[in-house]
Amino acid sequence: DAGVIQSPRHEVTEMGQEVTLRCKPISGHDYLFWYRQTMMRGLELLIYFNNNVPIDDSGMPEDRFSAKMPNASFSTLKIQPSEPRDSAVYFCASSNDVTEAFFGQGTRLTVV
Amino acid sequence: GQSLEQPSEVTAVEGAIVQINCTYQTSGFYGLSWYQQHDGGAPTFLSYNALDGLEETGRFSSFLSRSDSYGYLLLQELQMKDSASYFCAGENNAGNMLTFGGGTRLMVKP
Repeated sequence: DAGVIQSPRHEVTEMGQEVTLRCKPISGHDYLFWYRQTMMRGLELLIYFNNNVPIDDSGMPEDRFSAKMPNASFSTLKIQPSEPRDSAVYFCASSNDVTEAFFGQGTRLTVV
Repeated sequence: GQSLEQPSEVTAVEGAIVQINCTYQTSGFYGLSWYQQHDGGAPTFLSYNALDGLEETGRFSSFLSRSDSYGYLLLQELQMKDSASYFCAGENNAGNMLTFGGGTRLMVKP
């Protein structure tokens, strides 16, 4: 397996634009997590899914953020409209259980 | 919810031993994991403790004391490549959520 695959690796967008981040988890993993990492706030759990069902989205900062997992092999995190304070590295991770999560290489988002 | 506290920075010399502590306050705590992250990279799993005691994996060991709500990561025979950030992460007792501490930046000097 190629591991967790995220795209794009880098995204630069203008404030107000819609941004969509994509994630392909490791095949067979039941859990999928979206994290955001900044210097100020560290690694924050935004939302996680179990068997494609959102379980806890309490970490999603506000209504501008939404996440979907239409099937076991794909998830998206959407920000609409984007703001400069959304600039961060966004990680997707998957696992069979949370003792060991496998992270993708992340998407570095810059909103100008 | 969960809250995990770690020192922000630790500095040590090559060949030495360093201990990175993690204290937690969680509801329904189940286990503690450790992750390593190099600059520009993704977090990678190092170890996991669900029971009290020491788990050893090569140069790295991890310890948990549930009664003290405390754990640590022990790195022996430090190498320059060990310079990275280290995160403790707590698993809740439903076994389905992972919350990370703020991370400890380890600098290994020659």
